Amino acid sequence: SQQGEEDPQALSIQEGENATMNCSYKTSINNLQWYRQNSGRGLVHLILIRSNEREKHSGRLRVTLDTSKKSSSLLITASRAADTASYFCATDAKGAQKLVFGQGTRLTINP
Amino acid sequence: NAGVMQNPRHLVRRRGQEARLRCSPMKGHSHVYWYRQLPEEGLKFMVYLQKENIIDESGMPKERFSAEFPKEGPSILRIQQVVRGDSAAYFCASSPRAGTDTQYFGPGTRLTVL
Repeated sequence: SQQGEEDPQALSIQEGENATMNCSYKTSINNLQWYRQNSGRGLVHLILIRSNEREKHSGRLRVTLDTSKKSSSLLITASRAADTASYFCATDAKGAQKLVFGQGTRLTINP
Repeated sequence: NAGVMQNPRHLVRRRGQEARLRCSPMKGHSHVYWYRQLPEEGLKFMVYLQKENIIDESGMPKERFSAEFPKEGPSILRIQQVVRGDSAAYFCASSPRAGTDTQYFGPGTRLTVL
């Protein structure tokens, strides 16, 4: 079955550095989304990229999508302590209405 | 326009009891999705409902779990005879139409089974 998988599972960097997280998936998609989840809290939608798009920006976020490799990356530039959270990619499957989430990347920004 | 509401936010049950989780979708949304998140894992799809209909329950355990979305009132996820393995965060999402690009998530209900 389709599954998004994030890499790395955990990432710890210094404040001000850039953080890059990757996501791989297995089947054709209509879109791919990234979410943030602070510890014990709900999901915050960050960005959606459609299958016909290659790159998208939102503030300090940059998302790329390579459908030939079935992979996506999320770049957070100039990281801040408040960016400490788990980040999940979620994909759909053409014809299905459900989101398939990866295991997530736990990002820690050290002050 | 209020977001997706879930209650209770925290629920504690003893093994064998029933758990009822409620989800009120955003105004104008007639599609509801339930997801479960086990500790240290991503969300897993459970069930997709439209008003009064279950559209896709492929992620729902066959026993003890049921879901409904009545014509009036919130969507309910019901877990009978809870076991410790049911301890998780349960998230509801709603959307105005079928599709994955418009799902808005609620804050979740954290179920703890003692």
